[in-house]
Amino acid sequence: NAGVMQNPRHLVRRRGQEARLRCSPMKGHSHVYWYRQLPEEGLKFMVYLQKENIIDESGMPKERFSAEFPKEGPSILRIQQVVRGDSAAYFCASSPAGTANTGELFFGEGSRLTVL
Amino acid sequence: GDSVTQMEGPVTLSEEAFLTINCTYTATGYPSLFWYVQYPGEGLQLLLKATKADDKGSNKGFEATYRKETTSFHLEKGSVQVSDSAVYFCALSNDYKLSFGAGTTVTVRA
Repeated sequence: NAGVMQNPRHLVRRRGQEARLRCSPMKGHSHVYWYRQLPEEGLKFMVYLQKENIIDESGMPKERFSAEFPKEGPSILRIQQVVRGDSAAYFCASSPAGTANTGELFFGEGSRLTVL
Repeated sequence: GDSVTQMEGPVTLSEEAFLTINCTYTATGYPSLFWYVQYPGEGLQLLLKATKADDKGSNKGFEATYRKETTSFHLEKGSVQVSDSAVYFCALSNDYKLSFGAGTTVTVRA
């Protein structure tokens, strides 16, 4: 019974390149959330998606960042033209329908992005 | 806005010692409070929760009580084991967004 799967676990990019982070939610989960953890800080909410819909992207920077959760396939967090400040751990979480407001999320192991 | 402040680590303990990790919060409304744990090589997982004032959450020997008067949700365990070595995150939720503390790394030595 696979949990939330994120890949890659580690990603190194040079400034100006693109980073794509993938997240497959737990089986049967239709809600996906992305959180970012900067060094020495707590996880910060970025975006909440349901299949083919962005519900809330208020925590995501307005430029260079985008997220999607297509009908088929994993959720993708895309960062264009990365800068050093994007270096962080990016965590994906999922939940079943109807439980979004309970705060009980299932997290992946995170993807650690390093920008050189 | 909502925020969570938790005790800085790292914390190193001997087996069977008493563990306390302090957590205080600032929030509007009536948030639910959580402790999440991340064991080495794994994702965060929910350890315990409390949804209203004076509720006590408990799991695996850990406990935390929702104290509205002191806006706190301290985590305690009376006798830790090596297997409790992990990073512990205090969090609150308003609606579907979680606000996390920075995490406390706990190492338990045999």
